[in-house]
Formats: sequence, C-alpha cells, structure tokens
Amino acid sequence: EAQVTQNPRYLITVTGKKLTVTCSQNMNHEYMSWYRQDPGLGLRQIYYSMNVEVTDKGDVPEGYKVSRKEKRNFPLILESPSPNQTSLYFCASSSTQTYEQYFGPGTRLTVT
Amino acid sequence: AQRVTQPEKLLSVFKGAPVELKCNYSYSGSPELFWYVQYSRQRLQLLLRHISRESIKGFTADLNKGETSFHLKKPFAQEEDSAMYYCALRPRGGYGGSQGNLIFGKGTKLSVKP
Repeated sequence: EAQVTQNPRYLITVTGKKLTVTCSQNMNHEYMSWYRQDPGLGLRQIYYSMNVEVTDKGDVPEGYKVSRKEKRNFPLILESPSPNQTSLYFCASSSTQTYEQYFGPGTRLTVT
Repeated sequence: AQRVTQPEKLLSVFKGAPVELKCNYSYSGSPELFWYVQYSRQRLQLLLRHISRESIKGFTADLNKGETSFHLKKPFAQEEDSAMYYCALRPRGGYGGSQGNLIFGKGTKLSVKP
C-alpha cells in the first residue's frame, strides 16, 4: 500500500530535550515536505526537499532541522524544543510528475 | 504576493442543502489549484485538482481566472461531508524544489447537520 508514515504519532516532551520525528514514504517520491498545523493558521511549511541531499527552508523553519540522506526518509529534528513548537506536524511527499502531495497521519507534539 | 484566502472559518449547512466553500487566490502567473479534505482525526487527502476537472464525492470546483477563485461546490450536502477543507495553490514555474510547494489557505470547517 502506497503511504507516508510518521513516528511517533504523539509525543509529550520538555523544553530543550532534543527530539526527532521520522517520516518515510514508499512511493519513490522525489519531493518531501514538513508542515505544522495550528488552529486558525492552517498549514505552514517548515522545510522541503527536492531530492536526496537537497533541502530548503519553507515559511517557518526557525527551530527546526531536516536531513535527506535517503530518498524515502525525511526526518524532522528539533534540537531544543520550546513550547511554541507545540503543534500538529504533517509530512508529505509527491512525485515531480504530478506534484500531488500525499500526507502522513500527523504527529501531535506537546512541549511543556 | 502569493496567497490563498478562504474567507469562512466555519460553514454550517443542513443535510441535503447546497454547499459552496469559497477560495480566492493571489498569484500573478498560472497556478495549479487543489482542494484537500481532512476528516476528523485523519490525514489530509487530495479531493480535487483543477487540471483533472473531476467530480469527487459529488464535489466540483472550477477555476475562474477572472475572479481568481476556485470555489468548491456540492449540490446536496451529506453528513459525512463534515470535515476541514483546505484550498491550496501550487505556483507553476517556480525554481528547483519550490515547484512542489503548496500554499494553503487557513481552511474552512464544514459542518453538515441532520
């Protein structure tokens, strides 16, 4: 089954404790992206990647890092999480033929 | 500036009534427009894209370049249509990876009452 998976689905952590949210897709998509979804703000792009070792900032990259060492994986790293990063995070991928984005199930992060 | 505006945060209709979710965009070039739907506690799913001109789950959307709109319509709403709907724009002709980037509106929550 073609899908985008994220782990963990739920995470509660404390300020300053480094964490990684994994994202994996099995569709051989070149393009991957991370979004955060907040009430009243919709979806805002954090980072995106066109292909392996090619990443770029989205609209709200501060406080986040990404890497794309393999085509299928695109982890989101919070080196020192803060409470304002409490949000629902979505990973998405698409081929560069259609640019139709497939979304992961979301990761609900709470930083206390 | 590239922008997608969904003027209604919440739209409430009765079952069987027509529904129209508004989407306006601001983009100087030729965009590609999408509607995504997010049912409660589920991931976003693509509902429609303007280039395919399909009708999915009874929904249709027409790109009106003159009015820069891409409103989503359904003649008879069903309770299972209750969800969050996002309009999104992909700027065609962007450079490198930005060609894949979507600009989302803030979403409209559709509530269909029995």
